[in-house]
Amino acid sequence: NAGVTQTPKFQVLKTGQSMTLQCAQDMNHNSMYWYRQDPGMGLRLIYYSASEGTTDKGEVPNGYNVSRLNKREFSLRLESAAPSQTSVYFCASTPQSSAGTVSYEQYFGPGTRLTVT
Amino acid sequence: DQQVKQNSPSLSVQEGRISILNCDYTNSMFDYFLWYKKYPAEGPTFLISISSIKDKNEDGRFTVFLNKSAKHLSLHIVPSQPGDSAVYFCAALLTGANNLFFGTGTRLTVIP
Repeated sequence: NAGVTQTPKFQVLKTGQSMTLQCAQDMNHNSMYWYRQDPGMGLRLIYYSASEGTTDKGEVPNGYNVSRLNKREFSLRLESAAPSQTSVYFCASTPQSSAGTVSYEQYFGPGTRLTVT
Repeated sequence: DQQVKQNSPSLSVQEGRISILNCDYTNSMFDYFLWYKKYPAEGPTFLISISSIKDKNEDGRFTVFLNKSAKHLSLHIVPSQPGDSAVYFCAALLTGANNLFFGTGTRLTVIP
């Protein structure tokens, strides 16, 4: 089990360029999430996908789009990168709660460090 | 507006002693709380959690205490080990919602 994987690990973009951050999980989890971590701010939710085929905005969605390609993959796209999007991006997933058990624990990938100049 | 706060950016403790990391929250609707540990260049990993119906949860060397009236939780690590040196995040959520609200983290250094 690789868990949650993210590509690339590092990326430098110029203002206005676009790119897609990739995330995949092999744990058969239903829900997936994208966070950004900035100094002094903790992790903030950008978008999430409660299940395959659905996506919803989180706390800081502006400037981003997402695609839940299938159950395994959840990508984050920056259409026109801005310096304010310089951050570390984390993808996470959560298993579906089954009868009698509820799971709120999120499993995180190693992160993508993005710099926009 | 930060709904989950960790007011101590850093903490240093001698090996073998107790580490106490604190966390405060402002939203009284939060009913589930988690602690995550993060090493450099890695993603956060889940450590321990507690439901609002409890005031204590223990897992080995780690114990989380919840004081709902004070909107405060703490993580105790006893005894502290050098491998515990990391950044610790507390997080809170409303069960049924999808948004985990994270604190800003406390960097723990355990001195051998």
